Amino acid sequence: AQTVTQSQPEMSVQEAETVTLSCTYDTSENNYYLFWYKQPPSRQMILVIRQEAYKQQNATENRFSVNFQKAAKSFSLKISDSQLGDTAMYFCAFSASRGKLTFGKGITLSVRP
Amino acid sequence: SQTIHQWPATLVQPVGSPLSLECTVEGTSNPNLYWYRQAAGRGLQLLFYSVGIGQISSEVPQNLSASRPQDRQFILSSKKLLLSDSGFYLCAWSTTGGGSSRAQYFGPGTRLLVL
Repeated sequence: AQTVTQSQPEMSVQEAETVTLSCTYDTSENNYYLFWYKQPPSRQMILVIRQEAYKQQNATENRFSVNFQKAAKSFSLKISDSQLGDTAMYFCAFSASRGKLTFGKGITLSVRP
Repeated sequence: SQTIHQWPATLVQPVGSPLSLECTVEGTSNPNLYWYRQAAGRGLQLLFYSVGIGQISSEVPQNLSASRPQDRQFILSSKKLLLSDSGFYLCAWSTTGGGSSRAQYFGPGTRLLVL
């Protein structure tokens, strides 16, 4: 069975600064996908970024980028130039061959003005 | 573009009453569909998923059930609600097949309070 661990329950960052959210996972699969989702106060889950395990290049989406370390089974999210609208809960998620997502417990990020 | 709808947005129900939450997807065909529950301040728990009409897989045994009467419609039901059924219910869809289709896209959710 796959597990996703987000060990930090919450973090805080000053507006315009950079913050990194950590995530580790455990799997015996070789082909899989990793995701970061954002859940703002409205509670709708929004896909932030995705990474295919077979790609060595780290994914980027505007101010969001990942540091994917396959051997270490680590998948961290870096948010650059943090904005007040980035305040949300962030979930790391894993998907293997059957397509179902396994989520971590999430981390609450607060961006301070 | 694809959109996903859920209703109602908020629901307050007494213990023992029935439940019906609906989810519909537009702009795609033959999606995989999912129901999740999220307790306050916690992660998501997969309840049901469906790969086609009439095909439902249950992840957690409970007093809830799901049905997929049409290709893009997914319904979550209960005959008698329990207090523990309170939570935030999210519906999601994904395309079938592999690749980046593994991503799931979520609806706005339904807040259910059982009193």
